Amino acid sequence: DGGITQSPKYLFRKEGQNVTLSCEQNLNHDAMYWYRQDPGQGLRLIYYSQIVNDFQKGDIAEGYSVSREKKESFPLTVTSAQKNPTAFYLCASTGTGGTQPQHFGDGTRLSIL
Amino acid sequence: QQPVQSPQAVILREGEDAVINCSSSKALYSVHWYRQKHGEAPVFLMILLKGGEQKGHEKISASFNEKKQQSSLYLTASQLSYSGTYFCGTETNSNSGYALNFGKGTSLLVTP
Repeated sequence: DGGITQSPKYLFRKEGQNVTLSCEQNLNHDAMYWYRQDPGQGLRLIYYSQIVNDFQKGDIAEGYSVSREKKESFPLTVTSAQKNPTAFYLCASTGTGGTQPQHFGDGTRLSIL
Repeated sequence: QQPVQSPQAVILREGEDAVINCSSSKALYSVHWYRQKHGEAPVFLMILLKGGEQKGHEKISASFNEKKQQSSLYLTASQLSYSGTYFCGTETNSNSGYALNFGKGTSLLVTP
């Protein structure tokens, strides 16, 4: 069954700690995205990647980092520089070759301890 | 660049109709509509491309007015399962990588 898997479902971060959120897809999609969702704010784009070893900053990239070493994987690291990391994080992917729907994972809820 | 959605929230009785609007200040190439239940992933509803087309999906349809840079989502004869938050995502001509700008969402509650 094809889809996007995010892990963990819940994550807690201590002060000064970096944490990494996992996103894996088996849809053979080229493009992948990370969004942050806060109550009443909609989905805001953090980073996106169109191809392996290449990625671009979205609207709120400060305090986050990503890598794209494999087509299937697009992990997001929330660094200690992100002072307000508590949010719901969604990973998505889409095929290229024209406008196509984005497929979302089930999300990771990150909280500060 | 974030599109503006209206209304912010709406409460319906089962069987009633609703319209959700999405407006952009920039020229749009496409508009995507998604529905999200609380704590779950957004689910794709439909895409509209520039050209003013209208699409339908069961009792949910949408239109895209390219000149006004607006899209509207129409929910007719609403069902309890329609409850959730509806987001529009817009793609402008200047976007690359098919990244979308999402609105803040419209919360829809359908009551018995």
